[in-house]
Amino acid sequence: QITLKESGPTLVKPTQTLTLTCTFSGFSLSTSGVGVGWIRQPPGKALDWLALIYWNDDKRYSPSLESRLTITKDTSKNQVVLTMTNMDPVDTATFYCAHRRDYAEFDIWGQGTMVTVSS
Amino acid sequence: QPVLTQPPSASASLGASVTLTCTLSSGYSNYKVDWYQQRPGKGPRFVMRVDTGGIVGSKGDGIPDRFSVLGSGLNRYLTIKNIQEEDESDYHCGADHGSGSNFVWVFGGGTKLTVL
Repeated sequence: QITLKESGPTLVKPTQTLTLTCTFSGFSLSTSGVGVGWIRQPPGKALDWLALIYWNDDKRYSPSLESRLTITKDTSKNQVVLTMTNMDPVDTATFYCAHRRDYAEFDIWGQGTMVTVSS
Repeated sequence: QPVLTQPPSASASLGASVTLTCTLSSGYSNYKVDWYQQRPGKGPRFVMRVDTGGIVGSKGDGIPDRFSVLGSGLNRYLTIKNIQEEDESDYHCGADHGSGSNFVWVFGGGTKLTVL
C-alpha cells in the first residue's frame, strides 16, 4: 500500500524559504519509472503543479516558479524535499505530494499540509 | 500548453446522474486528461484517465462502477450515475504536456458538485 505524508512549518514569514518534506512508503524512488510530484492549492482555488522528480533524478519545474523551487530526493530515507524561496502571502496554500508511475497520472496523494505566509 | 476549462459548479439530486465536463483548448484534442475527486477537507483522489477512446488504464483505488468517462473532440467527460451523498466533492481535471525542459502539468479550475 502506497502512502505519502507531507510535513513542514505551518507558518512562514514573507521573504523566508519554505522547506517541505514528503515521506512515503510502499514504493521506492529508485525503481524505474517512479516519480514524486508537488502540487499546491490556495484556499478555495485550483490545484497548481509545482515540481516533479523521477527515479533517475530527472527534475521538472513549473516554468512560472522555477527560479524559486528546488526538489531533491533521499532514496535511503524514502523522502522528497521541496524548497521554495522568497515566500509571499500569495503563496499561502495547502501543499500536496503525489506518486506517479510510468509517466501516467498522479495516482496516490498525501493528505496535504497547510502553509500560511504572514508576518 | 493546453488550458483546461471546467464549469465552476454543478448539482444533481440524490440517485440521479450528472456529467461533468473538462474542455481542452484548441489544438489539444488528442490529449489524455485525468479526473480527480476532492472531498471537503481532503486531498485529491485519482478517479481515472480519459482520452477520445475512453478510459485509459485503470480506475483509481476504490472508485465505484457508477463512475465512467468519455472523450469527444476537445471535451473529456466524467459521468456519475446513482449519485450518493459521498459524491459531493470538487472534481478537478489535469493533463501533462511536453517533455524535457518544457514539461508542465496543468489543472482545470475544478467543478464543485453539490448533491441535492
